Amino acid sequence: EVQLVESGGGLVQPGGSLRLSCGASGFTFSTYWMHWVRQAPGKGLVWVSRINSDGTSTTYADSVKGRFTISRDNAKNTLYMQLNSLRAEDTAVYYCARPQNSGSYYYWGQGTLVTVSS
Amino acid sequence: DIQMTQSPSSLSASVGDRVTITCRASQSISSYLNWYQQKPGKAPKLLIYAASSLQNGVPSRFSGSGSGTDFTLTISSLQPEDFATYYCQQSYSTLMYTFGQGTKLEIK
Repeated sequence: EVQLVESGGGLVQPGGSLRLSCGASGFTFSTYWMHWVRQAPGKGLVWVSRINSDGTSTTYADSVKGRFTISRDNAKNTLYMQLNSLRAEDTAVYYCARPQNSGSYYYWGQGTLVTVSS
Repeated sequence: DIQMTQSPSSLSASVGDRVTITCRASQSISSYLNWYQQKPGKAPKLLIYAASSLQNGVPSRFSGSGSGTDFTLTISSLQPEDFATYYCQQSYSTLMYTFGQGTKLEIK
């Protein structure tokens, strides 16, 4: 059974940093691209970032470019997102997701809440 | 960047109604369009992929159509469990996927 489990969320002050993790199981993690999607409270889904299977290629939404860094450790079956220079508008539930061949997301984690507030 | 625009942003309907939600892309995305249902506090659930392919396990009252820039999600006969928020998503650009802003389907 495929499972994605996020962790690392919490309360952080503006300008602070946080590292999110997404542990994967039930599939060959090293062969799949992985993505992060976020959702601010009461708002819609927003694509954040993606990384290719071996970690050599990454892309980011303009809103997080230069502040967030996606990475992965295929030996540990874990996806990461380093969040730096956090702003109030980064407050959201962060989901990791595994795309299918069509680019659609069938598998999602349960989400981890990041709250940026003083 | 490819922008996705959904309409309407909210919709009131009754059990048994036929409902259609539209999604328009800012440029052609072929059939790289997916639809999701999300209920409060839950991760999104994939309903339709590649514009018109029904995900395994999703009831046949859900259907998708369209290609290029204009797409629709249709629910043929609304059931109580269908009241939720629906999102379209383009997966044409492998550099950057984008979602529509969502359509909240409420009970009339």
